[in-house]
Amino acid sequence: GAVVSQHPSWVICKSGTSVKIECRSLDFQATTMFWYRQFPKQSLMLMATSNEGSKATYEQGVEKDKFLINHASLTLSTLTVTSAHPEDSSFYICSASGQGLDHQPQHFGDGTRLSIL
Amino acid sequence: GQNIDQPTEMTATEGAIVQINCTYQTSGFNGLFWYQQHAGEAPTFLSYNVLDGLEEKGRFSSFLSRSKGYSYLLLKELQMKDSASYLCAIMDSNYQLIWGAGTKLIIKP
Repeated sequence: GAVVSQHPSWVICKSGTSVKIECRSLDFQATTMFWYRQFPKQSLMLMATSNEGSKATYEQGVEKDKFLINHASLTLSTLTVTSAHPEDSSFYICSASGQGLDHQPQHFGDGTRLSIL
Repeated sequence: GQNIDQPTEMTATEGAIVQINCTYQTSGFNGLFWYQQHAGEAPTFLSYNVLDGLEEKGRFSSFLSRSKGYSYLLLKELQMKDSASYLCAIMDSNYQLIWGAGTKLIIKP
């Protein structure tokens, strides 16, 4: 149980393109979803936390106008990287938490590798 | 401030035992978690400690001492597939996960 599906797994696009990444909880209601970014050989960096039906809380240094997060339902959150540039190339990972799950505080999607040319 | 320290890299031999340490200073404590992350993949949950002591799960064990702000992950009978990064994370008083930088474990034949 507690499966999180993230799509797409890999994106290559031109500079200036906007890219949307979806994160779905398949068998539980995700009251909170988290978006992380991970550059090569570095640790996970939390970008933002979103609760269903409310605005996302962004970490310091993360541009909310560039990384648009929508958590419209208890099973879906999206991250849109607007006007992406090569420096936005990274591994983006979502995770979700919900009520009554096991000890795992967050269940992770498989990640999206974003490459901007 | 919040701080989690773990070694950057460790090397061990197939079949051996390795211990990965994690020390922390955080605002509040609601549990310590260990995750495994293979290159290019998302983290996978390994263990959870909230009380002092040792939690054993197959070849992996995790220990916690809250008074010392210290934990370790013990991996026995190492296999080549155990080559990965191991992330220590603390849930703070706001129930937010604070992540360590991870320890890259290299297993040699």
